[in-house]
Amino acid sequence: GAVVSQHPSWVICKSGTSVKIECRSLDFQATTMFWYRQFPKQSLMLMATSNEGSKATYEQGVEKDKFLINHASLTLSTLTVTSAHPEDSSFYICSASTSGPTDTQYFGPGTRLTVL
Amino acid sequence: AQSVTQLDSQVPVFEEAPVELRCNYSSSVSVYLFWYVQYPNQGLQLLLKYLSGSTLVKGINGFEAEFNKSQTSFHLRKPSVHISDTAEYFCAVRRRGTGNQFYFGTGTSLTVIP
Repeated sequence: GAVVSQHPSWVICKSGTSVKIECRSLDFQATTMFWYRQFPKQSLMLMATSNEGSKATYEQGVEKDKFLINHASLTLSTLTVTSAHPEDSSFYICSASTSGPTDTQYFGPGTRLTVL
Repeated sequence: AQSVTQLDSQVPVFEEAPVELRCNYSSSVSVYLFWYVQYPNQGLQLLLKYLSGSTLVKGINGFEAEFNKSQTSFHLRKPSVHISDTAEYFCAVRRRGTGNQFYFGTGTSLTVIP
């Protein structure tokens, strides 16, 4: 089946620094990638949708200047958390899908971000 | 707009007993329906999906779900659970047509008791 990887799997950083998370589709070309945020014991909340070569579409309430998304190729999307603060600590999960109305989203294993 | 309701936040069940995890959705348009499982500190794994055709869908690990359009439900079932089924289960919908966004329910924590 389709495989999506994320790197790093976990990261600890100081408040005020920026952190970049990579999402890669390993064996297929993903025209669309999604970024989710999950707080402990809660569901996934869609943050943004990114299509290769175009600007990401952010969900309401998500700061686009804080969560920078780049989808430079059909196999790579990055999420950069800028000037991270402790309240940004969370589990970030990406997913990827190919084109087509019935295509399944394939999820990455997630990245645990802890901001001290 | 779409919304997904998982009525039970926690479901404890004894090993080898049957289980049903409930999911209801509301949408102004037709949707595709999915169930995902999440083990601790891991991403989501697709259990099964309903796109069209037969309303009874069989997935991995012995799970199945039935789409009921009149009741707008997509309940997940397994006739006999194992310890390894202990995990968080998420129901999700995606609109037919434009866009590919998923909308998730709040999740059901299934705990299998030995």
